[in-house]
Amino acid sequence: QVQLVQSGAEVKKPGASVKVSCKASGDIFTTYEINWVRQAPGQGLEWMGWMNADSGNTGYAQKFQGRVTMTRTTSITTAYMDLSSLESDDTAVYFCTAGRANSGWAYWGQGTLVSVSS
Amino acid sequence: QSVLTQSPSVSGTPGQRVAISCSGSSSNIGSTYVYWYQQLPGTAPKLLIQMNDRRPSGVPDRFSGSKSGTSASLAISGLRSDDEADYYCAAWDDSLSASVFGGGTHLTVL
Repeated sequence: QVQLVQSGAEVKKPGASVKVSCKASGDIFTTYEINWVRQAPGQGLEWMGWMNADSGNTGYAQKFQGRVTMTRTTSITTAYMDLSSLESDDTAVYFCTAGRANSGWAYWGQGTLVSVSS
Repeated sequence: QSVLTQSPSVSGTPGQRVAISCSGSSSNIGSTYVYWYQQLPGTAPKLLIQMNDRRPSGVPDRFSGSKSGTSASLAISGLRSDDEADYYCAAWDDSLSASVFGGGTHLTVL
């Protein structure tokens, strides 16, 4: 079992960047894949990308290529999602989620609201 | 427009059985595992079904998943008022090299 705790809500101006953290505890961090999923207000779930917490290897949805960076600091079992060149339609709740290969995403953070407004 | 297609809504009465469908293609559902997530209002999604038809520990056996060809289905039997939620299917898409979601189905318990 792993518990995921995300950083707090953010308010950003268009063109800015945001970095959301996801602190894992309770299990071996490096045995998981961390995925990031976002949900705009009143909308469905949208997958952004994944990161192998051990190797740091990543894969991003084409929509976010060049704008998103997923990293981790293993010593403090924390994953990060950095999204740049923010626009108003990036306003969403951003979730980190953890799972092992083929097992699905069993563990979720509480979500971080990122609001983008001038 | 979602890669996986779900009906926007479904409804049922307490005790009834409902099914939620998810349609995809040969590059996703047809060749990879399907997962189902339940999202109650204001909360993070919860994994209901993994690897097409397996229930994670703690998920009641009222929930079941199946897959046939390029479609998948989530069945909920013995419907309860606290099943009212949004349900999402998800799968890996080999062509996109990406995980994809359905648009979600809102279940109303009348």
